[in-house]
Order: sequence, then C-alpha cells, then structure tokens
Amino acid sequence: DTGVSQDPRHKITKRGQNVTFRCDPISEHNRLYWYRQTLGQGPEFLTYFQNEAQLEKSRLLSDRFSAERPKGSFSTLEIQRTEQGDSAMYLCASSSPAFGGPSYNEQFFGPGTRLTVL
Amino acid sequence: RKEVEQDPGPFNVPEGATVAFNCTYSNSASQSFFWYRQDCRKEPKLLMSVYSSGNEDGRFTAQLNRASQYISLLIRDSKLSDSATYLCVVLMEYGNKLVFGAGTILRVKS
Repeated sequence: DTGVSQDPRHKITKRGQNVTFRCDPISEHNRLYWYRQTLGQGPEFLTYFQNEAQLEKSRLLSDRFSAERPKGSFSTLEIQRTEQGDSAMYLCASSSPAFGGPSYNEQFFGPGTRLTVL
Repeated sequence: RKEVEQDPGPFNVPEGATVAFNCTYSNSASQSFFWYRQDCRKEPKLLMSVYSSGNEDGRFTAQLNRASQYISLLIRDSKLSDSATYLCVVLMEYGNKLVFGAGTILRVKS
C-alpha cells in the first residue's frame, strides 16, 4: 500500500500521560499536514511541513503539542500532559509540490489515529 | 461565525432521489474550493474540486458563486453507496491550509 500510513491507529491513555503519533506520507510528497477531528466536526488544521521545515502552526496547537519532521520524510506529533479535551482523531495528510501550476495539490489523508484520554 | 458553514444534516433520501447540499464561506480571499467525502470512521477523500463555471463528474455536479460566497453539490440518482458525510472545504489564500465545514450526513435508503 503506497498511501499515507499512521501509527498507532488507536491509543487509549490516562490524563497527564504523554503520547506520540507517527505519520508516513506518500514517498514522493514533500508537504505534510496534521489535522484534528472531533465527533460531528470537520477536520481542523494543526500544522504543516514542507520538507523538514514547519511552515505554519494553528493557534489550536498549544505548547503541549509538538510536531517534527526531522528528515523531511515521516513526521511525529507529540502531546504532553494529555487532557480529556485532547480526545479526537488525529489525521495526517500529504501532498506533492505544484510545479508551475495552482498552489494546491490534492491532500491525501491517512486513516488517522484515534486518541482517547481517560 | 465559522469560516465554512454547511446545511445541518442528516439528509435521509430514497434511492434514485436528487439531493443538494449547500455551503457558505466567510473569507472572500479564499482561493480554491472542494467537496470531500468521509465514510464512517474513515479518512476524508477528495470527491471533486469546485469551479466558478460549474463542473460535473457523472452524477455529481458542483457549483461555486464567488459573489455570494456559496458552494453547492448536487447528487442525482442517489445510490446506497453515496451514504456518507460530505465535507465542504476551502483552501485559504495563504499556505495550503484546508478549512473544513462540519459536514452533512447523507443516508440513502432502499
């Protein structure tokens, strides 16, 4: 399967614990995005990388959240001192660069990591 | 006010029906517009892009009215397999951030 993969698919943790999620984008894609989706809502943008550079962060991304993409390939999203309000589906997406065309190229989403904080 | 607002669902329709979804967006500088489909507990997938001239893909027709900041999706001859949540999505002028509406649930029944 050459799509976006995420690990783990499900995570249950206790409040106050740290969790880390991994995303492997489609291999030739240099752009990687993290979104969060809660029940009954659409995904909300968290952050965006182009290669290893983190170019944009949402104000939703509090100081307890950190994302990295050290070699411009896979990315990790860490949540420290989890709270019950962090319970959500965390979606990763990737896209390829637009060469001379429109700035948007389709974002392909991974299956998500569902986080439950007890 | 939310940046992207959609019709509240769910829409319950019989097979073969025509159904229309509406969406409005608040940022007039928005660049590009899309409809995504999301099946229950699955990731969103691009259904179609939306252009001012209107575009059609089989039974699906999308329309954009920039003056009214309004986007629509029409599904003709609904199939059971069309049952899903339809997300109205806007690409903001800056960067590549997608802004999603809350989604409208469609249930097609036999």
